[in-house]
Amino acid sequence: NAGVTQTPKFQVLKTGQSMTLQCAQDMNHEYMSWYRQDPGMGLRLIHYSVGAGITDQGEVPNGYNVSRSTTEDFPLRLLSAAPSQTSVYFCASSYSGSPVNVLTFGAGSRLTVL
Amino acid sequence: AQSVTQLGSHVSVSEGALVLLRCNYSSSVPPYLFWYVQYPNQGLQLLLKYTTGATLVKGINGFEAEFKKSETSFHLTKPSAHMSDAAEYFCAVSDETSYDKVIFGPGTSLSVIP
Repeated sequence: NAGVTQTPKFQVLKTGQSMTLQCAQDMNHEYMSWYRQDPGMGLRLIHYSVGAGITDQGEVPNGYNVSRSTTEDFPLRLLSAAPSQTSVYFCASSYSGSPVNVLTFGAGSRLTVL
Repeated sequence: AQSVTQLGSHVSVSEGALVLLRCNYSSSVPPYLFWYVQYPNQGLQLLLKYTTGATLVKGINGFEAEFKKSETSFHLTKPSAHMSDAAEYFCAVSDETSYDKVIFGPGTSLSVIP
């Protein structure tokens, strides 16, 4: 079982460049989400999805786009990277509809924007 | 909006000493509460969770937490710290408007001194 797989693990971008962080899960989880982790800020929810074709904004959605065309994949797109988006990004998934929403996390993607 | 606060961004304890990591939350409805742990360069994993019922919750690796509604707290404890407990600890709560959304606190870094 691979669990939640994130690629790439490391990425350096220049301001204004675009890129996509990939997230895939093989647990048939309906719910998927993206967080960013910054020192002293904990994890902040960027976007989430409760199923294919359904996405919604979290706490800090600006500058990021998502789509959910399949149950397995939930890519995060940065259309025009800014230095403020330098962070570690985590994808997480779980079964949906239950208040006991135990998240399974990927290993993270460290992004640096110069 | 819900929020989670963790008192102390960094806590140091001696090996064998009591570990106490504090968490307070804001919620207008009974929450579902979690503690996650992050070891260096890894994703997060669940330590324990509170849903309903018994307010003292036991988790993995000897950790436990007590839900106190009157104090809106969910502090994490372990009677005797081990070197392997050194990690970042995050308190989290399911969002009251959508249980699928999980909101994290800023985290507490635990150091264990030999």
